[in-house]
Amino acid sequence: QKEVEQNSGPLSVPEGAIASLNCTYSDRVSQSFFWYRQYSGKSPELIMSIYSNGDKEDGRFTAQLNKASQYVSLLIRDSQPSDSATYLCAVKGIKAAGNKLTFGGGTRVLVKP
Amino acid sequence: EAQVTQNPRYLITVTGKKLTVTCSQNMNHEYMSWYRQDPGLGLRQIYYSMNVEVTDKGDVPEGYKVSRKEKRNFPLILESPSPNQTSLYFCASSLFLAGIEGIDTQYFGPGTRLTVL
Repeated sequence: QKEVEQNSGPLSVPEGAIASLNCTYSDRVSQSFFWYRQYSGKSPELIMSIYSNGDKEDGRFTAQLNKASQYVSLLIRDSQPSDSATYLCAVKGIKAAGNKLTFGGGTRVLVKP
Repeated sequence: EAQVTQNPRYLITVTGKKLTVTCSQNMNHEYMSWYRQDPGLGLRQIYYSMNVEVTDKGDVPEGYKVSRKEKRNFPLILESPSPNQTSLYFCASSLFLAGIEGIDTQYFGPGTRLTVL
């Protein structure tokens, strides 16, 4: 079992719709969770971080964390063509040395006009 | 502007020719890390450093060396590059305060695309 798993996609959504991305992780005592957006050939860019169970909203993005079920999700509301990218879920476990992040393989999102 | 810089951005080299990829950050971050990204394998950590003169192996350290003589710089050294080190490389940095919201976020450099022939 991979430590951090994501559906590779592509997830195709019409413009204006909600994109829903999921991520599961295996380390039960993970403490920090991040969503990064990466355009092809570019560096990962932080969208959201979440540390406590529940929802966290920032503009059109909402991150949801459920530690009991070991999953974290990202909702993108009113999806725009510029949201077309690969979204990386990253997890930092309490046992991880230093600030080591473990990344999922990423979910490719395509927003169609 | 707060940033992580890497040089070179693109490099084509031949097997066995030593090379160094530089990484520098201007945010006074303690923690720095190198990742490689390959299709189907995602981002994998190569080496990391928690402060000056403190470095340790990540998940895929074979064939790489690093040094941390100054807080702002964390070069990646390939003593004898091989074709399987052809990849996209990212340097990242963060404050070293684990689990504190907004503080332990890692910021990535623009990437270095390396091709070893």
